[in-house]
Amino acid sequence: KNQVEQSPQSLIILEGKNCTLQCNYTVSPFSNLRWYKQDTGRGPVSLTIMTFSENTKSNGRYTATLDADTKQSSLHITASQLSDSASYICVVSDRGSTLGRLYFGRGTQLTVWP
Amino acid sequence: EADIYQTPRYLVIGTGKKITLECSQTMGHDKMYWYQQDPGMELHLIHYSYGVNSTEKGDLSSESTVSRIRTEHFPLTLESARPSHTSQYLCASRTGTSGMKTQYFGPGTRLLVL
Repeated sequence: KNQVEQSPQSLIILEGKNCTLQCNYTVSPFSNLRWYKQDTGRGPVSLTIMTFSENTKSNGRYTATLDADTKQSSLHITASQLSDSASYICVVSDRGSTLGRLYFGRGTQLTVWP
Repeated sequence: EADIYQTPRYLVIGTGKKITLECSQTMGHDKMYWYQQDPGMELHLIHYSYGVNSTEKGDLSSESTVSRIRTEHFPLTLESARPSHTSQYLCASRTGTSGMKTQYFGPGTRLLVL
């Protein structure tokens, strides 16, 4: 069964600190993995996308890593800001169809305190 | 910022009422999607469309229906709302046949059925 599991479920950090969010998946055949940021009451916004051959991708203070062998990904946030408070969703796409079928994790709810 | 819009943003309605959630995008995307998201849970695909006059049901069984008469417009209708329909509904769109193309999400409609 294709699944995406994220940990931790929620995380509280102080402003300026770094944090790492985890994602494990069983989706096969694998096409790509995305990290989305979803602010409260808003739709998800794409942060990074990685294919099988990529093992790291950065977008400003966000750095995603991918280990396709162990089917694990992480999202590292550097020097956190209050605006980083959001849900971070790991999304994996399979290669099985042109629909670009997406499998969503439940997200990690990050709260950054001043 | 993606050019995809949803109205209304919030809706409180009584049981048995007919409702239509609007979704429109100005990016000319051929593929459009409806997702349902409960708090702390993953997004579930309920409907999708490859283009005009094309609609399909997604993974999650839904009593809603959709139509795609124009490329830019993908409304979702509930003929008789029930409390079990209370949820957040997210519309998304993307272009192309490659699974690498990013889905852009609207801001969502939060529905409460009393």
